[in-house]
Amino acid sequence: GESVGLHLPTLSVQEGDNSIINCAYSNSASDYFIWYKQESGKGPQFIIDIRSNMDKRQGQRVTVLLNKTVKHLSLQIAATQPGDSAVYFCAENFYKLIFGTGTRLQVFP
Amino acid sequence: KAGVTQTPRYLIKTRGQQVTLSCSPISGHRSVSWYQQTPGQGLQFLFEYFSETQRNKGNFPGRFSGRQFSNSRSEMNVSTLELGDSALYLCASSRTGTNSYEQYFGPGTRLTVT
Repeated sequence: GESVGLHLPTLSVQEGDNSIINCAYSNSASDYFIWYKQESGKGPQFIIDIRSNMDKRQGQRVTVLLNKTVKHLSLQIAATQPGDSAVYFCAENFYKLIFGTGTRLQVFP
Repeated sequence: KAGVTQTPRYLIKTRGQQVTLSCSPISGHRSVSWYQQTPGQGLQFLFEYFSETQRNKGNFPGRFSGRQFSNSRSEMNVSTLELGDSALYLCASSRTGTNSYEQYFGPGTRLTVT
């Protein structure tokens, strides 16, 4: 069936360290991938996206890597801060957005 | 500009009842998509409306329906509520649709069915 999975349900990192959140997607024909951040009590917030014709895209403190060979997506957060604590979702676009189950990022001092 | 707004934010209903949720997209956005979020199933796509027409639909029973008005505001309706319908219902708007465009999510409506 349709699925976008995340390898780690919870990731704990120390403030200042880099975080890497991984995601496996299922549809080779997906043309677009997005990372969302969802804080408690809020809707998902767009972080960064990448099209299937790219391997890497950088934003402010975030980098998304796409490996189409193994259908893998990752989100790297540099110098993780307490405000980064949230649940992170990857999503692939295959006629509609298909979301992963989410990874909770916990940042401790 | 104002973000996506959803009303009500919280709702408690009993089994068998029906419910209507409302979503107002960002000004200028013509597409509204609805999602159901539960701890067990994650975020699941319900349907998308664009220019008052349902353009895409997820795998949900017919008890779930929606519509969009000429001002792009959208409503979704769930009839004959079941306990399993308890979830956070999110709507997202974008300029043109779910395909390859940024979607902006509202805060959601938390529905509890007892």
